[in-house]
Amino acid sequence: GDSVTQMEGPVTLSEEAFLTINCTYTATGYPSLFWYVQYPGEGLQLLLKATKADDKGSNKGFEATYRKETTSFHLEKGSVQVSDSAVYFCALSDSGGGADGLTFGKGTHLIIQP
Amino acid sequence: NAGVTQTPKFRVLKTGQSMTLLCAQDMNHEYMYWYRQDPGMGLRLIHYSVGEGTTAKGEVPDGYNVSRLKKQNFLLGLESAAPSQTSVYFCASSPWTGRQALHFGNGTRLTVT
Repeated sequence: GDSVTQMEGPVTLSEEAFLTINCTYTATGYPSLFWYVQYPGEGLQLLLKATKADDKGSNKGFEATYRKETTSFHLEKGSVQVSDSAVYFCALSDSGGGADGLTFGKGTHLIIQP
Repeated sequence: NAGVTQTPKFRVLKTGQSMTLLCAQDMNHEYMYWYRQDPGMGLRLIHYSVGEGTTAKGEVPDGYNVSRLKKQNFLLGLESAAPSQTSVYFCASSPWTGRQALHFGNGTRLTVT
């Protein structure tokens, strides 16, 4: 079945550092790929998405490129802020149009220190 | 902009008690989902619904029941709570599936003692 693998962390960085959170996936066909962010005490919010190979999703300074050849969707940001501290989830959707939602990775806890 | 609303936000149950978690969405979405979130496990799908009057099992359905009597509401029931059901429960909705993002509520933190 489909699966998503991501580094679990916690990942601790200093403010203004460069961020990479790795995400790789296993799926048949051509799934859509997503990054969600969860702030403490809140639900998951969509951060960015990409629906086909070589697409780049971007939002709030974060970027991720859908790489079919390496089955990856790594999240990057050039200069992180304390407010970026959160848990980040990589997810994929069933390319066959199935109704059973998204498959999530286990989440990466990011801590940004001032 | 209510989006997806979950009630209650917190609940403590004793083993064997029952309860119902309510999810309401005001976006006219067809699909609704219940997930549970546990440390080190990510999110796991419990049940989902593709429209009013329909429900289907997800990855971890045992011990839970659901109902979708109205399009905007999706109820998750625990008939006889167990400590293993201590978790944070999230409801989500989407206009249709395939390549669509999910919209999440803020969660219900349930503790079963």
